[in-house]
Amino acid sequence: AQSVAQPEDQVNVAEGNPLTVKCTYSVSGNPYLFWYVQYPNRGLQFLLKYITGDNLVKGSYGFEAEFNKSQTSFHLKKPSALVSDSALYFCAVRDRSGGSYIPTFGRGTSLIVHP
Amino acid sequence: NAGVTQTPKFRVLKTGQSMTLLCAQDMNHEYMYWYRQDPGMGLRLIHYSVGEGTTAKGEVPDGYNVSRLKKQNFLLGLESAAPSQTSVYFCASSSGQENEKLFFGSGTQLSVL
Repeated sequence: AQSVAQPEDQVNVAEGNPLTVKCTYSVSGNPYLFWYVQYPNRGLQFLLKYITGDNLVKGSYGFEAEFNKSQTSFHLKKPSALVSDSALYFCAVRDRSGGSYIPTFGRGTSLIVHP
Repeated sequence: NAGVTQTPKFRVLKTGQSMTLLCAQDMNHEYMYWYRQDPGMGLRLIHYSVGEGTTAKGEVPDGYNVSRLKKQNFLLGLESAAPSQTSVYFCASSSGQENEKLFFGSGTQLSVL
């Protein structure tokens, strides 16, 4: 079975400060990991993914995420937050050893960047 | 290139009415999905399809039916709508490659009174 947890419903950060949105996962094998962003009244958009190799993955809009196998985490980060980064962020996981290509999504974290 | 298109964008139903949500993708994707999004619940998978003519149940399939008669289209039906089905519905598609991302439509806001 595969699962993903986003422990924070909401993250507040001041513009210009670094931001972190947390994600932990559980799989029986090795994971594929994804981050998506949802702006108000829009569908989800892909940000970045971890497949293999370098533990630091760079994505769209200056976001990056760090894969940590020992902590089973895949936290989303950005060095300097913008007000326009305010949105709902979803982490997703797929177990490589699973027979289905269906990802499991977390409940989402609302990021609010204050001017 | 439109990507994933959902129709309608908004709909209000009375309890017991039926309706069909249409999802169309122009990327020749094998996999298509229907999710519902509710506050505090994240995205929950209703049904999915791994190819034309195939469908499978997801996490919350009760009260919904689906069909994939053509590769590019994935229909979600509510035969007898209930207030508990008030939600935002998202369709998504993917190539079916194991590490590939999903492409999402812009959603359908459904209210059942």
